Amino acid sequence: DTAVSQTPKYLVTQMGNDKSIKCEQNLGHDTMYWYKQDSKKFLKIMFSYNNKELIINETVPNRFSPKSPDKAHLNLHINSLELGDSAVYFCASSQILGQAGSGRGTTDTQYFGPGTRLTVL
Amino acid sequence: AQTVTQSQPEMSVQEAETVTLSCTYDTSESDYYLFWYKQPPSRQMILVIRQEAYKQQNATENRFSVNFQKAAKSFSLKISDSQLGDAAMYFCAYMDTGRRALTFGSGTRLQVQP
Repeated sequence: DTAVSQTPKYLVTQMGNDKSIKCEQNLGHDTMYWYKQDSKKFLKIMFSYNNKELIINETVPNRFSPKSPDKAHLNLHINSLELGDSAVYFCASSQILGQAGSGRGTTDTQYFGPGTRLTVL
Repeated sequence: AQTVTQSQPEMSVQEAETVTLSCTYDTSESDYYLFWYKQPPSRQMILVIRQEAYKQQNATENRFSVNFQKAAKSFSLKISDSQLGDAAMYFCAYMDTGRRALTFGSGTRLQVQP
């Protein structure tokens, strides 16, 4: 059984289109993340959700909108795609013991999905 | 802001030999975690090893071990008895218990020569 899965694994689309990437985890974790890996392999956090609540929202264009329908799912919708959005997008999950954002508790390891390679033409 | 620096863009090692990958970080936090992730050509991000800052003992996982120097803010990864399957990009990552997001270094590409 795949612990963290993403669909699709590859996405090729035209500039200006709207697309979504889906992520699901079956680890029972309460926190999920989106990371972006650019063409130089640099990885950066975009968003994180804890129990469906947005916790981290980095400096990301408004065209990117995450949605978490439940603890096990975190989707990423991208409007008006641009050439610069071409990258690999990784979903990850972890279990936080304690209250998120409080600084208390113990954070467990983040487990990553296989990534979605997005190519904008 | 926290930063993670990997000063070796590429490293090469002979099969069965030992190699050490360097990582330094900058933070004003006292409670944090450090990780090494491996990314083979399949692009899957695989956890190699994790270290809690409050633990003085260096973490080990089979052939992988770390040298954690908290005062120097250094976190190097040692791979013993290198195998061809160890060839990959290795990323050092930092996370504090407040923000709970990974901050990655720029990565080190490891080649293993037969």
